Amino acid sequence: GAVVSQHPSRVICKSGTSVKIECRSLDFQATTMFWYRQFPKQSLMLMATSNEGSKATYEQGVEKDKFLINHASLTLSTLTVTSAHPEDSSFYICSAGGLEALAKNIQYFGAGTRLSVL
Amino acid sequence: GIQVEQSPPDLILQEGANSTLRCNFSDSVNNLQWFHQNPWGQLINLFYIPSGTKQNGRLSATTVATERYSLLYISSSQTTDSGVYFCAGNLWGNEKLTFGTGTRLTIIP
Repeated sequence: GAVVSQHPSRVICKSGTSVKIECRSLDFQATTMFWYRQFPKQSLMLMATSNEGSKATYEQGVEKDKFLINHASLTLSTLTVTSAHPEDSSFYICSAGGLEALAKNIQYFGAGTRLSVL
Repeated sequence: GIQVEQSPPDLILQEGANSTLRCNFSDSVNNLQWFHQNPWGQLINLFYIPSGTKQNGRLSATTVATERYSLLYISSSQTTDSGVYFCAGNLWGNEKLTFGTGTRLTIIP
């Protein structure tokens, strides 16, 4: 149980295009989803937290107009990188938790999306 | 927020060796977790260990909350243990996880 599916696993795009990444909870209701970014050989950095039906809360230094997050249902959150540039190339990871899991500080992680912007 | 430092940053060992990875955190954390990130990027939770000691096969972990550190022990290393090990914690009442700097472990056959 508690599977989080992230799609696509890899995407290559041209500079200036927008890319959408999906994060789905397959067998539980994800009241909260988290989006992380990981640059090569670095740690995971939290970008934003999204609660179903609410606007996402972005961490300091993360541009909300650049990284659009939508959490319209209890099983799906999307991250759209708008007008992507080479410096946006990174590994993006989502995680999710339901009320019971989050009460124990448990998050379930997706497999990540490797974005390469040419 | 909390700061989480891990040591060593890199570790290269022969298959069969034992290793100890350390995680220091700057403030009291609600729940300390250890993760293994495989070469494809997938994060796998190894332990939830706010305090005390837990064991799972060749892996064990100890957290001394009063001294703000945790240790991950890997015994009889195998090549499949290679990857990056992260610890992560969150402050009381805050669901946001802060990840440590990571230890990159390479097991040589």
